[in-house]
Amino acid sequence: NAGVMQNPRHLVRRRGQEARLRCSPMKGHSHVYWYRQLPEEGLKFMVYLQKENIIDESGMPKERFSAEFPKEGPSILRIQQVVRGDSAAYFCASSPWDGDSGANVLTFGAGSRLTVL
Amino acid sequence: AQSVAQPEDQVNVAEGNPLTVKCTYSVSGNPYLFWYVQYPNRGLQFLLKYITGDNLVKGSYGFEAEFNKSQTSFHLKKPSALVSDSALYFCAVRDTDSGYALNFGKGTSLLVTP
Repeated sequence: NAGVMQNPRHLVRRRGQEARLRCSPMKGHSHVYWYRQLPEEGLKFMVYLQKENIIDESGMPKERFSAEFPKEGPSILRIQQVVRGDSAAYFCASSPWDGDSGANVLTFGAGSRLTVL
Repeated sequence: AQSVAQPEDQVNVAEGNPLTVKCTYSVSGNPYLFWYVQYPNRGLQFLLKYITGDNLVKGSYGFEAEFNKSQTSFHLKKPSALVSDSALYFCAVRDTDSGYALNFGKGTSLLVTP
């Protein structure tokens, strides 16, 4: 079991470019979460998805950020027109379906580190 | 609304001594509480969780945590620290009334010295 796979591990973009971060959940997991970790801050929840469905995007910035989890393929976090403040580590986590009990454990990937020049 | 606070940015302890990493929470419903550990350049790893039942929860690598409802705390403890325990520790809470997001504290850096 390869666990949660994120790529790229490191991504460098210039201001105004687009960044795409990919996450393949653990085998058997149907739920994906995206978090952002900034220096001196904790992990900030961004979005929670099931396949083809966004469940909770209350942590997503209103502009430039979007996420999807298609029927086939990885979940993608997309940041358009990146700015320096977007530089951070972006972590993906996955979990199995637990009937909405809220007790499920998240399995995290190693993260994608975005640097905006 | 839900939130979690880790009042200490860093905890230093000598190897072999007991360690405590503090966490307090605020929720409107019932809390689901978690501890995760992060090693450098790695993702977070699950240590333990409290959902219901016994207030003392035992987890991985000899760690345990005690749920204290009156003090709204969920401190992480280990009787005898190892140098290899040095890492960043995150407390997290999910409020049963507030949806799906697992909210993390800012993290506490634990340094265990030989």
